[in-house]
Amino acid sequence: DVKVTQSSRYLVKRTGEKVFLECVQDMDHENMFWYRQDPGLGLRLIYFSYDVKMKEKGDIPEGYSVSREKKERFSLILESASTNQTSMYLCATTTGTEETQYFGPGTRLLVL
Amino acid sequence: AQSVTQLGSHVSVSEGALVLLRCNYSSSVPPYLFWYVQYPNQGLQLLLKYTTGATLVKGINGFEAEFKKSETSFHLTKPSAHMSDAAEYFCAVSEGKDFGNEKLTFGTGTRLTIIP
Repeated sequence: DVKVTQSSRYLVKRTGEKVFLECVQDMDHENMFWYRQDPGLGLRLIYFSYDVKMKEKGDIPEGYSVSREKKERFSLILESASTNQTSMYLCATTTGTEETQYFGPGTRLLVL
Repeated sequence: AQSVTQLGSHVSVSEGALVLLRCNYSSSVPPYLFWYVQYPNQGLQLLLKYTTGATLVKGINGFEAEFKKSETSFHLTKPSAHMSDAAEYFCAVSEGKDFGNEKLTFGTGTRLTIIP
């Protein structure tokens, strides 16, 4: 079974703090994705990565950056957290040959 | 560009009744279509997917969906609802790696409530 883990289930941060969300997968998948999920808006793609040190912007990259130094780990960084970044963040992975995305359990972030 | 529309943000059905969750898509190339389910405080889990071949796709937990190209639809059904089906359901579309775009575009979700 594919296992995708996220570093925290719940996180509370202050406005202006730098926030790191980490995602680790154990299946040697090439592709990794970060989404945010908000009520009534579904999932929206923030960033994705097709390989180590490679990244591409998704639909809503503003206010976020990412890092992929190792194949199994994909980090989402909020350089200066703001209240409008309060959300559920979901990481997903997929192989380069299969379309199915496998999701982690999510991190619910509250920015005060 | 690809997009997904899910009709009905909330659907309630009685236990044992038919479940029908609607999804319409837009894609400039033959699409790959997915249904994911999210139980409370969990990530998303794949229910079923259509890539090529048979247009009626069966998934886990008794769900199935039919790809209808002429109607640009991929509605999700289950003949008899169970209390454990209460969750949020997301339809998604991808243009697939063959077209250089593996990104998923999700609908806004449908919350399914089961009435005892």
